[in-house]
Amino acid sequence: EIVLTQSPGTLSLSPGERATLSCRASQSVSSSYLAWYQQKPGQAPRLLIYGASSRATGIPDRFSGSGSGTDFTLTISRLEPEDFAVYYCQQYGSSPVTFGQGTKLEIK
Amino acid sequence: QVQLVQSGAEVKKPGSSVKVSCKASGGTFSSYTISWVRQAPGQGLEWMGRIIPILGIANYAQKFQGRVTITADKSTSTAYMELSSLRSEDTAVYYCARDTIYGSPSDYWGQGTLVTVSS
Repeated sequence: EIVLTQSPGTLSLSPGERATLSCRASQSVSSSYLAWYQQKPGQAPRLLIYGASSRATGIPDRFSGSGSGTDFTLTISRLEPEDFAVYYCQQYGSSPVTFGQGTKLEIK
Repeated sequence: QVQLVQSGAEVKKPGSSVKVSCKASGGTFSSYTISWVRQAPGQGLEWMGRIIPILGIANYAQKFQGRVTITADKSTSTAYMELSSLRSEDTAVYYCARDTIYGSPSDYWGQGTLVTVSS
């Protein structure tokens, strides 16, 4: 099973700032089958990024993903008030599918 | 536009079973994969398993093997997740989600079903 470790656990930033979230895998993620999700309280997760760097339909271009192998990054270039939420990475290239433990992005 | 609508909240006794449904509309139900993910209160996301409705083949996370059964009814475009031998640690919101194809991420999610296990 591939274990995903996200850092930091909590990130405190202000609107307009840049956010960088990290996801590290215990072994290489095949074909960069790495996704990022955003989850707000009381809501289902929302797919942001798939294939490590492709934005899902309707996702603003301030969200970008990068990385390969075992190290992946989600970057939000300029934080909007609606971006404060919990973010999860997921690898879907190997069974079982696994998620990171999440990074909470909070308003400073 | 794909929409997944799940059944309502459940309260169950320890040792019993729960069956959650997920009705899909939009898209072609048989052509995609339905995954089930749960989230305990205040915790992260945990993948349970998935099914390919057109084949009726399911695979499960090792943690849930023997306790979970995922099925699909193509005639009603509905997927089901049944979890048995419930314990308090199974209290969680259970989500179904669509994967466009097997081995793809989940792009549409149900609203979630809260299952509470309590004596």
